[in-house]
Amino acid sequence: KAGVTQTPRYLIKTRGQQVTLSCSPISGHRSVSWYQQTPGQGLQFLFEYFSETQRNKGNFPGRFSGRQFSNSRSEMNVSTLELGDSALYLCASSLSNSYEQYFGPGTRLTVT
Amino acid sequence: AQTVTQSQPEMSVQEAETVTLSCTYDTSESDYYLFWYKQPPSRQMILVIRQEAYKQQNATENRFSVNFQKAAKSFSLKISDSQLGDAAMYFCAWKSGYGNKLVFGAGTILRVKS
Repeated sequence: KAGVTQTPRYLIKTRGQQVTLSCSPISGHRSVSWYQQTPGQGLQFLFEYFSETQRNKGNFPGRFSGRQFSNSRSEMNVSTLELGDSALYLCASSLSNSYEQYFGPGTRLTVT
Repeated sequence: AQTVTQSQPEMSVQEAETVTLSCTYDTSESDYYLFWYKQPPSRQMILVIRQEAYKQQNATENRFSVNFQKAAKSFSLKISDSQLGDAAMYFCAWKSGYGNKLVFGAGTILRVKS
């Protein structure tokens, strides 16, 4: 089975721009979660989608949004980028609540 | 709010020796899961081991085992016969039984000396 894939792997954007990151879960997985990893704040939960519905949301501003499609693929959007949004964005997929999450390789976003 | 604490920012172990990484957590929930993830320099998060809170038996995966002390809210990871490939950042994580939000500790860098 193919693992979780994330595109693009690297991205450089300018302050004020917006960006969309994509995540394709493992086949059959219906839950997709997003995390932000920075040296200062560590790993922080952004949101989780399950069967196209946002099930849980972390403590991030409204500039961070996401969605999930019927094939379980998920996208994350960040509008009006700030320097502090520079981070590794990780996505993870899971079958359901009772199962472990598997992570993708991440998207490294640099905001200049 | 749930919190996960890893008090050891960095640990070192000699190849073939045993090392234990510490983790404590705080939660008022009774249904939850605990995990150890490994993140090598490639930044790929790899699941090492998981423990269901309702299980009294400690989880084991080959050279990796945990010491789950539910009353003390402690969840340590023991790595036996350490190998150079074990060098990585290790994260302890908590998850409620009712969703997939992972709460991570700050991580412990493990260095393996040959």
